[in-house]
Amino acid sequence: GEDVEQSLFLSVREGDSSVINCTYTDSSSTYLYWYKQEPGAGLQLLTYIFSNMDMKQDQRLTVLLNKKDKHLSLRIADTQTGDSAIYFCAEIGNDYKLSFGAGTTVTVRA
Amino acid sequence: KAGVTQTPRYLIKTRGQQVTLSCSPISGHRSVSWYQQTPGQGLQFLFEYFSETQRNKGNFPGRFSGRQFSNSRSEMNVSTLELGDSALYLCASSYWTSGANEQFFGPGTRLTVL
Repeated sequence: GEDVEQSLFLSVREGDSSVINCTYTDSSSTYLYWYKQEPGAGLQLLTYIFSNMDMKQDQRLTVLLNKKDKHLSLRIADTQTGDSAIYFCAEIGNDYKLSFGAGTTVTVRA
Repeated sequence: KAGVTQTPRYLIKTRGQQVTLSCSPISGHRSVSWYQQTPGQGLQFLFEYFSETQRNKGNFPGRFSGRQFSNSRSEMNVSTLELGDSALYLCASSYWTSGANEQFFGPGTRLTVL
C-alpha cells in the first residue's frame, strides 16, 4: 500500500447525505475499506469493496469506486447524530498491509 | 463470538522503560496486525503475524518487536521508550485465507510515556 488521502473535515446537517472522498495511489490495491472511529474507541469496519466493483450498497451506506482515477467515496444517506465520528479509508494490496488515510472528521449538526 | 481484546487498556511509563502489550484475536483468526495511531502521523502499520510468523513489517525502528503464540495471541514489545512512542496501539485480527481479509480491531492500548 502507498499513499491514501482524504479531506480532513466534513460538516453536515442531520438528515442530509454525507459524502466522504478518498484517493489512493497503489494500483495493486485489491480491496478498499471504510472504517469508523468514535471517540475513545477502536476502528469499526463499516464496509469494503473489491477493486473490480464500481459500487456497493449496504443499507444507508453506498461506496463508489473509480479505479481509473483511484477515487473512492462513501455516501451516508439520512445522516444521524450517531454518525459523528472519524472515517478512515484504507486499501490493501499484495503486501497484506492496510494503508490508511488521515481520517475525515464528520460533524453532524442539528 | 467475542471480539478482539487488548490488555492493558491504559499504560503510563517513563522514558527508557520497556512495555509489553497483549492482543487476543477473535477465535479462529490466524492473522494479527498491529498499528500505531498518533495525532501527527495517523494510523501506521507496525507488523503482521500469521501462524506465529512475522509476515510483514512497517517502517519502525528495531525497538518495536512482536511475536505470536500458537493460540494466535500476540504481544508487541517496545524497548527504551521515547516520548514520541506515546500513542494508541491498535491490534486487528483477520481470518485471512483469501478474499476481503476483513480486519477487526480491538479497542486499543493507550500508552503514555512521561
